[in-house]
Amino acid sequence: GQQLNQSPQSMFIQEGEDVSMNCTSSSIFNTWLWYKQDPGEGPVLLIALYKAGELTSNGRLTAQFGITRKDSFLNISASIPSDVGIYFCAGQLYTGNQFYFGTGTSLTVIP
Amino acid sequence: GAVVSQHPSWVICKSGTSVKIECRSLDFQATTMFWYRQFPKQSLMLMATSNEGSKATYEQGVEKDKFLINHASLTLSTLTVTSAHPEDSSFYICSARPGLGSEKLFFGSGTQLSVL
Repeated sequence: GQQLNQSPQSMFIQEGEDVSMNCTSSSIFNTWLWYKQDPGEGPVLLIALYKAGELTSNGRLTAQFGITRKDSFLNISASIPSDVGIYFCAGQLYTGNQFYFGTGTSLTVIP
Repeated sequence: GAVVSQHPSWVICKSGTSVKIECRSLDFQATTMFWYRQFPKQSLMLMATSNEGSKATYEQGVEKDKFLINHASLTLSTLTVTSAHPEDSSFYICSARPGLGSEKLFFGSGTQLSVL
């Protein structure tokens, strides 16, 4: 399978702070998806990106499809305790049908 | 919309038995479903791609005879773990893609399999 490197691996932040994480690959993707997963649950879709350079927001979340098509970024503004969880990027290869997942970013928000 | 139901949520079985996991798209038709496996504190690893009415495509290193996938209808895919062993214990998650024009994946709630 494809290797998507996600960073940082974990983050501990104060409530109200902004958060940034990114996902990179050596391959070209034509779709980037960002998910949040709570323990023992399936991932929940946050944002979908389809074009290079695309910037999309969902409430306090903003994600961007990198110009090179090999990376994507997720920002969370004014974090709150319920933002706690593991965030995953997922990419669909330009040449394929499958979606591959990043290594995940564990977010802890300190009240 | 875009609800995916997965059952059971958890299962405990004896070594050597087989376990079937169901994945249903409740409010849309899914031409493609994907099965993932996740170990604690790790990412989701794609196991196979399931297309309605055709054989599943397995990722390298995934034994197709051990992880049987059936996608008999546009709303149901099943994963059967045959002759399960303790090393098969894991969190299995299915996902569904609504139609050819939608490049989004919606996930089930996962199945925690424990093999004794």
